[in-house]
Amino acid sequence: EAGVAQSPRYKIIEKRQSVAFWCNPISGHATLYWYQQILGQGPKLLIQFQNNGVVDDSQLPKDRFSAERLKGVDSTLKIQPAKLEDSAVYLCASSWRTGEEAFFGQGTRLTVV
Amino acid sequence: QKEVEQDPGPLSVPEGAIVSLNCTYSNSAFQYFMWYRQYSRKGPELLMYTYSSGNKEDGRFTAQVDKSSKYISLFIRDSQPSDSATYLCAMTINQAGTALIFGKGTTLSVSS
Repeated sequence: EAGVAQSPRYKIIEKRQSVAFWCNPISGHATLYWYQQILGQGPKLLIQFQNNGVVDDSQLPKDRFSAERLKGVDSTLKIQPAKLEDSAVYLCASSWRTGEEAFFGQGTRLTVV
Repeated sequence: QKEVEQDPGPLSVPEGAIVSLNCTYSNSAFQYFMWYRQYSRKGPELLMYTYSSGNKEDGRFTAQVDKSSKYISLFIRDSQPSDSATYLCAMTINQAGTALIFGKGTTLSVSS
């Protein structure tokens, strides 16, 4: 079974630029999560999808972050414009259903300079 | 007060030692408790998943939950250098749509 795929693995951008991350979950997984992990901290949920609907985006900074999950499969997370404090690893995870074991991708390491 | 507190370490032990990792939490509504292991530059992987109070054992790993004290533990017996990683505790209120709340993670180093 293929795991959660994320790209790119690394990205360096200047502040005020925009960036997009892509996630392909495990086939058949209905729930998809985007987490932000700042160095030295645990992952923090940004947004949770159930199929292509948003379940929880209460911690997503909506003035600069957006996410979509087309056709309930792949998902993209966008930051526009980026700030220095957005430097972090962005993790995508998926599960069969909400509350069941979540499988994580390797993450995208973003550095904003 | 953060919802989930976890000592970040680092924790260094010799091979074969018993390791104890702990988290405390403030929200008494948490019912589901997990431990994830995260190797450097990798995503977290689930180690243990427990519901409510009690113990759960899986090989060299034992998870304990004490809801009365709002305290969870992960024990690793006969630790190996391959156990060197960051261990994250996580918890949630229920299975139906609530997000996992993670601790900061404890970095463990097992020397041979």
